[in-house]
Amino acid sequence: ELKVEQNPLFLSMQEGKNYTIYCNYSTTSDRLYWYRQDPGKSLESLFVLLSNGAVKQEGRLMASLDTKARLSTLHITAAVHDLSATYFCAVRRGGSNYKLTFGKGTLLTVNP
Amino acid sequence: NAGVTQTPKFRVLKTGQSMTLLCAQDMNHEYMYWYRQDPGMGLRLIHYSVGEGTTAKGEVPDGYNVSRLKKQNFLLGLESAAPSQTSVYFCASSPQIGEAFFGQGTRLTVV
Repeated sequence: ELKVEQNPLFLSMQEGKNYTIYCNYSTTSDRLYWYRQDPGKSLESLFVLLSNGAVKQEGRLMASLDTKARLSTLHITAAVHDLSATYFCAVRRGGSNYKLTFGKGTLLTVNP
Repeated sequence: NAGVTQTPKFRVLKTGQSMTLLCAQDMNHEYMYWYRQDPGMGLRLIHYSVGEGTTAKGEVPDGYNVSRLKKQNFLLGLESAAPSQTSVYFCASSPQIGEAFFGQGTRLTVV
């Protein structure tokens, strides 16, 4: 059974600081996703990572994937208040397994 | 661009009542999913479908049934609602390769 673990689950940081959210998964996967959720809202896709060594960046967020270590990171650079949200990673095993398994999410609060 | 649309957005049920949640997507996606979201639990997969006429159980299927008679629609049914089914329900669809797109969610309260 595929397990996806995120840490930390809660992150409070100051504006201007850098931090990294980690996503570990337990079995081989062919793709990994990062989503953002604002309070009371739906999930918004941020990144799709398809191969080992993949790195994607959008604004102050950068995601990377190490399939050998079964680890993805979401790095936040010079945080701003607007980045406050819950961030989820999700993993699909691939092949004939279509299930998408989510981590529990990281609640990020950026303080002025 | 409608994307994924869930109906209803809010609902209050009494214990033992039944209801159906409707999910409709207009992106011609093959895969569709129903998740529930509870505080501290992330999103847990209830049922999913890999194509019209097919369904499969996810992580927490008990107490729920689903049907996918048309490719664009995925229905989630609660036969006899229980307070433990109070949650926010999300439907999602995805192509074979690419990310899943989510509906706006249905907030269900069972009293």
